[in-house]
Amino acid sequence: GAGVSQTPSNKVTEKGKYVELRCDPISGHTALYWYRQSLGQGPEFLIYFQGTGAADDSGLPNDRFFAVRPEGSVSTLKIQRTERGDSAVYLCASSLRSPQGTQYFGPGTRLTVL
Amino acid sequence: AQRVTQPEKLLSVFKGAPVELKCNYSYSGSPELFWYVQYSRQRLQLLLRHISRESIKGFTADLNKGETSFHLKKPFAQEEDSAMYYCALLTGTASKLTFGTGTRLQVTL
Repeated sequence: GAGVSQTPSNKVTEKGKYVELRCDPISGHTALYWYRQSLGQGPEFLIYFQGTGAADDSGLPNDRFFAVRPEGSVSTLKIQRTERGDSAVYLCASSLRSPQGTQYFGPGTRLTVL
Repeated sequence: AQRVTQPEKLLSVFKGAPVELKCNYSYSGSPELFWYVQYSRQRLQLLLRHISRESIKGFTADLNKGETSFHLKKPFAQEEDSAMYYCALLTGTASKLTFGTGTRLQVTL
């Protein structure tokens, strides 16, 4: 079946602009995660959804970052007033159940802030 | 706080040689450990998890709580094993994975 998909695959924006990154999880997966991977680093946790609610947003770096999952399926990560330091690959993962379910990752969105 | 350490950024071995990718973790509770792999131009995918105690593509990993390690091993490396390998820790009550910085395995002829 279809895996986790993310759009766009690449996003280039200018400092100060607003961006939205989309994640389509595997159908039926109730848990959804966002991670950020900077160059030379492993993925770092941002936020976790169980259904429609954010169960753990302790990894969001500051209030410029926000994520929603209004219908318990697709999720959007929103970044306001982007900064050059936000440049990274943003990964989405989903799992059938949480917290012990295997997380399946999407291909990522590479965000470049000029 | 939990932490995962992968001391080697790059490990280069010859085809047919044994492979050991090191992973150490720091966590006071009962950990669950994973190895994820990323082949060139592919997404991150699960290789194995310690609770399954299975061998995938010839790789095995044993959790050693005394040494807080979860090293990944394979007796005979193949060219197709060349990839980026990440060790990750899922804590007992949390929902998030904590990843190491990764080790690039390069298998040469």
